[in-house]
Amino acid sequence: SAVISQKPSRDICQRGTSLTIQCQVDSQVTMMFWYRQQPGQSLTLIATANQGSEATYESGFVIDKFPISRPNLTFSTLTVSNMSPEDSSIYLCSVRSGTSGAEQYFGPGTRLTVT
Amino acid sequence: EDQVTQSPEALRLQEGESSSLNCSYTVSGLRGLFWYRQDPGKGPEFLFTLYSAGEEKEKERLKATLTKKESFLHITAPKPEDSATYLCAVQMNTGFQKLVFGTGTRLLVSP
Repeated sequence: SAVISQKPSRDICQRGTSLTIQCQVDSQVTMMFWYRQQPGQSLTLIATANQGSEATYESGFVIDKFPISRPNLTFSTLTVSNMSPEDSSIYLCSVRSGTSGAEQYFGPGTRLTVT
Repeated sequence: EDQVTQSPEALRLQEGESSSLNCSYTVSGLRGLFWYRQDPGKGPEFLFTLYSAGEEKEKERLKATLTKKESFLHITAPKPEDSATYLCAVQMNTGFQKLVFGTGTRLLVSP
């Protein structure tokens, strides 16, 4: 298994500002994923971050709004830029682990409220 | 369009009353199916991965099964601590093998 921590656990931010969320894993992993969970909804993949390459974004998500860094095999950051109330969500970091990558684990999430 | 549907949306059981949750999917390419448990305010907790039709996996009171079009999560003699939202996700067999999630089933087990 993999143990994932995220910082901050929650934040309240003003419209127009940016927030950087950190994700730390207790083991080296090739792929890290960033998800969003809007209130009362399920998880939506924002992007996949491989170490040493540019992140790959899903349809509807762009690098200017959600820049991602992946400086090494245990750490990644997601920035939510120029925030609006619609960005209020839980943001979750995830990694694949286990035999043949058969298990995917999630961090505790960062609860973001934009006012 | 790839789609994952879970039913029911919500389920209330009495302690000890067994039941099943359903996850049906229509996707262009399936590599595997994942089940998670999510408690309020927490990230999803990994339960199972299933890869082949006919495969079954068990963990305590939970058993997951997979067919070509759907998966079931059977809960045997549930306890109040089994109350949570249960999510299924289809792992695609293209690109980075991303997970596509269903909307979940909220389970409440009363003592």
